[in-house]
Amino acid sequence: DAKTTQPNSMESNEEEPVHLPCNHSTISGTDYIHWYRQLPSQGPEYVIHGLTSNVNNRMASLAIAEDRKSSTLILHRATLRDAAVYYCILRRGNEKLTFGTGTRLTIIP
Amino acid sequence: NAGVTQTPKFRVLKTGQSMTLLCAQDMNHEYMYWYRQDPGMGLRLIHYSVGEGTTAKGEVPDGYNVSRLKKQNFLLGLESAAPSQTSVYFCASSPLGQGDHSNQPQHFGDGTRLSIL
Repeated sequence: DAKTTQPNSMESNEEEPVHLPCNHSTISGTDYIHWYRQLPSQGPEYVIHGLTSNVNNRMASLAIAEDRKSSTLILHRATLRDAAVYYCILRRGNEKLTFGTGTRLTIIP
Repeated sequence: NAGVTQTPKFRVLKTGQSMTLLCAQDMNHEYMYWYRQDPGMGLRLIHYSVGEGTTAKGEVPDGYNVSRLKKQNFLLGLESAAPSQTSVYFCASSPLGQGDHSNQPQHFGDGTRLSIL
């Protein structure tokens, strides 16, 4: 399985944008980039996914580098409810998800 | 719409006891999964199912059994609980998807916190 690398932790101020990076230098052409987040004491929650083009949904935006070796999850305006562990995962079709340790995001009021 | 429901939410067992964790989904999803999460770690896949009557091993299947007798339910069994199985267990489900749109998000329950003494 291709692996991803994320910072262990990040902090951001409330109501400011947050850019969460993910490196995946060994990504293959058929790997999709998925992002999930896990709020305290809850199960993971799907955030967004993409293949080559940038993607937007109501929760976040996903910016994918042209060579696909890195991507960035963008939360446009962080709130306290966005404090969570964010997981960047490569996935092919309906293959199983392989979770790393993710990035713990702290929002400062 | 309840989504994915796990029961029980908490349980304490003694070493050697057996129990079954129940996962139920009301979204008519084909795929179902059982994960465990240990402190400070990501989720690890125990077993999964690609449809009613089918099961397959994941990354850490030893000490667990599963059954998918009904499409909406996926049961995880511990025949003889061990302290190493103390963990938080998460169930997830996802739809089959069609053609190139096979990358379907997984929907997770809120977990079962299991302690084995």
